[in-house]
Amino acid sequence: QKEVEQNSGPLSVPEGAIASLNCTYSDRGSQSFFWYRQYSGKSPELIMFIYSNGDKEDGRFTAQLNKASQYVSLLIRDSQPSDSATYLCAVYTGGFKTIFGAGTRLFVKA
Amino acid sequence: GAGVSQSPSNKVTEKGKDVELRCDPISGHTALYWYRQSLGQGLEFLIYFQGNSAPDKSGLPSDRFSAERTGGSVSTLTIQRTQQEDSAVYLCASSEYRYNYGYTFGSGTRLTVV
Repeated sequence: QKEVEQNSGPLSVPEGAIASLNCTYSDRGSQSFFWYRQYSGKSPELIMFIYSNGDKEDGRFTAQLNKASQYVSLLIRDSQPSDSATYLCAVYTGGFKTIFGAGTRLFVKA
Repeated sequence: GAGVSQSPSNKVTEKGKDVELRCDPISGHTALYWYRQSLGQGLEFLIYFQGNSAPDKSGLPSDRFSAERTGGSVSTLTIQRTQQEDSAVYLCASSEYRYNYGYTFGSGTRLTVV
C-alpha cells in the first residue's frame, strides 16, 4: 500500500512567521511531488511541484525534497492570514495515479 | 474552456437512485481524473483517462460506479443505486502532460444521498 503521510494539524503560526509543513511517503520509486492548497469548501489548487532533491523556491513558498529520507516539505515565509487553508501533499508513484495525503490544516493568526 | 467545469455543483438524491456527474476538462488536456473527497478526508482516486487509451478503473469502489469519456473530452461519472456512503465531493481534474506538472481541479460536485 503506497502511502503519503501528513500531520493533520492544525498548525498555528503568527502572521509574518515561517510555516513549515511536512510530508513523508512510502514508495521509494516516487517521481514527482506536489503541494496543493485547499481553502474550506473549495477544490485543491496546485502551488508547487518538485522533482529533484534540494530546494525549489517560488515567491514566499519553498518546496524541499529529500528522496533518501522520503521526505518533502513546504515552507511558507512571511505567513499571511490568507494562507490559512489545508495543504495537501501529493506524490506521483507511476501508473498515472497521484496519491494525496489527508492534508495539514494551517492557521495564520493576525 | 478556461478551467475545468463540473456540473451539477450540488446534488441531493434519494438512496437507491442513479446519478450522473459531468466534467468538462481544459481544452487540449489529454488526461482526466476523477477523485472523491469525503468530509475531512484526503482525496481518493477513482478513475483515470488518457487520450483514447483504455481507462484505469482501479480506484472505483464498486461496480455501481462507472465512467466514460466521449471524444477525448467530456467525462461522465455514473453512480447507480446510490448509498449513503457515496455522499462526498466528487472532484474532476485534468492535465496537459499527464502527471508531470500537476492537475487543475474543477470546483467539484457535492453529492448528498438521503
